[in-house]
Amino acid sequence: KNEVEQSPQNLTAQEGEFITINCSYSVGISALHWLQQHPGGGIVSLFMLSSGKKKHGRLIATINIQEKHSSLHITASHPRDSAVYICAVVGGGADGLTFGKGTHLIIQP
Amino acid sequence: DAGVIQSPRHEVTEMGQEVTLRCKPISGHNSLFWYRQTMMRGLELLIYFNNNVPIDDSGMPEDRFSAKMPNASFSTLKIQPSEPRDSAVYFCASSLAGFTYEQYFGPGTRLTVT
Repeated sequence: KNEVEQSPQNLTAQEGEFITINCSYSVGISALHWLQQHPGGGIVSLFMLSSGKKKHGRLIATINIQEKHSSLHITASHPRDSAVYICAVVGGGADGLTFGKGTHLIIQP
Repeated sequence: DAGVIQSPRHEVTEMGQEVTLRCKPISGHNSLFWYRQTMMRGLELLIYFNNNVPIDDSGMPEDRFSAKMPNASFSTLKIQPSEPRDSAVYFCASSLAGFTYEQYFGPGTRLTVT
């Protein structure tokens, strides 16, 4: 079974700061998802990665397959970025998605 | 497209009652997923379908849980009989084809079993 670890578990930062959230997994995978869950509970898919780097607006996601590690970066953070960010991996000895426990991000104005 | 639609949004029921959750995936998506989220366990995959066929139901916790997808535009998750430990938020999601495509989540059904 793939072990998915996210760090930090909780992060509070000031508006404008550069944010990095990390995700490590124990077994090789075929893809990795970053999800965002807002305080209201809705879940939105941010990225699906199998290699390299993707960028969407102020969000950047990278993955290093050899090191079994992915990062989610937020540039020029804003209070509306406050949410739980969840990493989920595909494959690696298990069918379906294996989820991390999430990183609870608060951006203060 | 309206996105993934789930109903009801909230359900409160008594222990022992049957609960049916419903999901309409995005048109054209071939894969549908049922997830459960609790404070203790986080998000868990319960079951997923490809082209209306259940592929892996190993995440279904017990025989009390069953899921069907009679056609490409409708799926149900049924709990019979319900127990208080089934209280959770149940999400349905769909994708074009499997786990290596972006998943689109419904708003979730918050189930409370008393």
